[in-house]
Amino acid sequence: DAGITQSPRYKITETGRQVTLMCHQTWSHSYMFWYRQDLGHGLRLIYYSAAADITDKGEVSDGYVVSRSKTENFPLTLESATRSQTSVYFCASSEFRTTVETQYFGPGTRLLVL
Amino acid sequence: DQQVKQNSPSLSVQEGRISILNCDYTNSMFDYFLWYKKYPAEGPTFLISISSIKDKNEDGRFTVFLNKSAKHLSLHIVPSQPGDSAVYFCAAIGGSNYKLTFGKGTLLTVNP
Repeated sequence: DAGITQSPRYKITETGRQVTLMCHQTWSHSYMFWYRQDLGHGLRLIYYSAAADITDKGEVSDGYVVSRSKTENFPLTLESATRSQTSVYFCASSEFRTTVETQYFGPGTRLLVL
Repeated sequence: DQQVKQNSPSLSVQEGRISILNCDYTNSMFDYFLWYKKYPAEGPTFLISISSIKDKNEDGRFTVFLNKSAKHLSLHIVPSQPGDSAVYFCAAIGGSNYKLTFGKGTLLTVNP
């Protein structure tokens, strides 16, 4: 399927477990982003990547790890899940140098940490 | 320190009337502003944008106004339709930084 996809769409896990959220885009966009959406906080940037093997922290990166070995994939790992990481996670991609606004978002992953 | 602020968590309007969503920013480096729309259980989608060299951008029923001196932008929806009911996020970007900074969002409800 063309576009940007996230898996799983829903995940329940327990405190202390490692969880990986997957993100895949088919446009070969250079830039990819991970956000979390929480009530009262809007969308907050967790990590971003300008290209394969280039990643950088956003404003709420503690407890998260990312990798980008291939342009099209940008997995987000919670190394040891905590209840405060219960949230909806959105992945996005863009080709910034062409048009700023084309930051396309995936459908989201709803994560519950018990 | 919140650099993009949407001070109204929610707004309710009647169908056919104007909806005005407001956004304030503090970072003078921001030079491009965007509005995203989000329906429940979906990712945000781009709606309209404006460059800091302009004060108005229009796209159909949607118009964004920018007041640089006040560091304020607003989104006008005329006429409002029930399908416009969604959360609207204001976002900003500046300089060589390709990261978007989002506001907390405003839930718009358009009543039939």
